[in-house]
Amino acid sequence: DSGVTQTPKHLITATGQRVTLRCSPRSGDLSVYWYQQSLDQGLQFLIQYYNGEERAKGNILERFSAQQFPDLHSELNLSSLELGDSALYFCASSSGTGRSDTQYFGPGTRLTVL
Amino acid sequence: GENVEQHPSTLSVQEGDSAVIKCTYSDSASNYFPWYKQELGKRPQLIIDIRSNVGEKKDQRIAVTLNKTAKHFSLHITETQPEDSAVYFCAARFTGGGNKLTFGTGTQLKVEL
Repeated sequence: DSGVTQTPKHLITATGQRVTLRCSPRSGDLSVYWYQQSLDQGLQFLIQYYNGEERAKGNILERFSAQQFPDLHSELNLSSLELGDSALYFCASSSGTGRSDTQYFGPGTRLTVL
Repeated sequence: GENVEQHPSTLSVQEGDSAVIKCTYSDSASNYFPWYKQELGKRPQLIIDIRSNVGEKKDQRIAVTLNKTAKHFSLHITETQPEDSAVYFCAARFTGGGNKLTFGTGTQLKVEL
């Protein structure tokens, strides 16, 4: 157990809908990262937050948005869902400071868009 | 741009043999290189990492080597066991813009009895 939690574990929805994925980082970690892993694909970086502020952005679609709250949990919002958005979405957290900035991954949310 | 190439995509070895997975990266200023193991349907788990000021690091049966001049790093697993079967991802942290990791495309390692 990495100490990073994600809910829900599974999510099944229809095209055009909107969903919210939630992540709680490890205790004390200030940085949260979101990654997308499609079937047979690697891990694609979406976005990073550090202490409530957006720090880095990857190839995140405009239909996707995220935020980090004062209690440091983060939410990833996916809207106007398409079949191709079906994937595993992982959240990772790290201390966000110094050179010892190991990223620890949560268990993931499996999103299925029908 | 930021790119990490990983080879091979699949690797099959006999139990007890060694396995080597290689990655190359594009940005010579990259300074941190972790390796993750992912079992089917589970989260990636960090197994070893190396920083740019170190050439080699070892942890029991696992070792990582880094060649900064050639911009490549490798994972070495000795005395492989069936439980080593998984997908292994290398990653690199590129400088500038947060602490994001760019991952390789993964290697499916199968350890056969």
